Amino acid sequence: AQSVAQPEDQVNVAEGNPLTVKCTYSVSGNPYLFWYVQYPNRGLQFLLKYITGDNLVKGSYGFEAEFNKSQTSFHLKKPSALVSDSALYFCAVREGGYSTLTFGKGTMLLVSP
Amino acid sequence: NAGVTQTPKFQVLKTGQSMTLQCAQDMNHNSMYWYRQDPGMGLRLIYYSASEGTTDKGEVPNGYNVSRLNKREFSLRLESAAPSQTSVYFCASSEEGRGSYYEQYFGPGTRLTVT
Repeated sequence: AQSVAQPEDQVNVAEGNPLTVKCTYSVSGNPYLFWYVQYPNRGLQFLLKYITGDNLVKGSYGFEAEFNKSQTSFHLKKPSALVSDSALYFCAVREGGYSTLTFGKGTMLLVSP
Repeated sequence: NAGVTQTPKFQVLKTGQSMTLQCAQDMNHNSMYWYRQDPGMGLRLIYYSASEGTTDKGEVPNGYNVSRLNKREFSLRLESAAPSQTSVYFCASSEEGRGSYYEQYFGPGTRLTVT
């Protein structure tokens, strides 16, 4: 069975500092990995995905994520945080050939001015 | 394009009442999904439809039924609402479902309270 873990319920960072939101996964085969963001009272928005190829994936709003197969991780990063990045972030995984997407529990990112 | 739309936005039901949540997408996507979001539990899949004419159970299907009315529309029905079904419900769609690498697009959600 596939699973994904987001070990931090909340991440606090000051504006202008780099941020990292952690995600680890477990699948039997090759993973398809996704990050989504949810702003208050809104649906989820797609940020980026890893399917194959370059381990560093760039996405929307200056976010990027690094796929690390040996550590089964897919951490979300941004070099310089903005207050407007404050939101709930979800990591999700799908095993290639498996039919559904499994989401983590989410990490709340709070960026202080 | 409106993307994925859901109605209603808010609903309060009494225990035992029934209701249908509506979802429509205008992106010509094959696959559609219903999730529920509860605090600290992330999103859990209720039902999905990989293509028009097919539906399958997800992780938490009990107490729900779905209908894929056509390619655009996918409805979720609660036949006899229970307080445990108090949640925020999201509909999503994607180009393909089974084993695909396409991202899902989400609607704005329906906040349901069952008293």
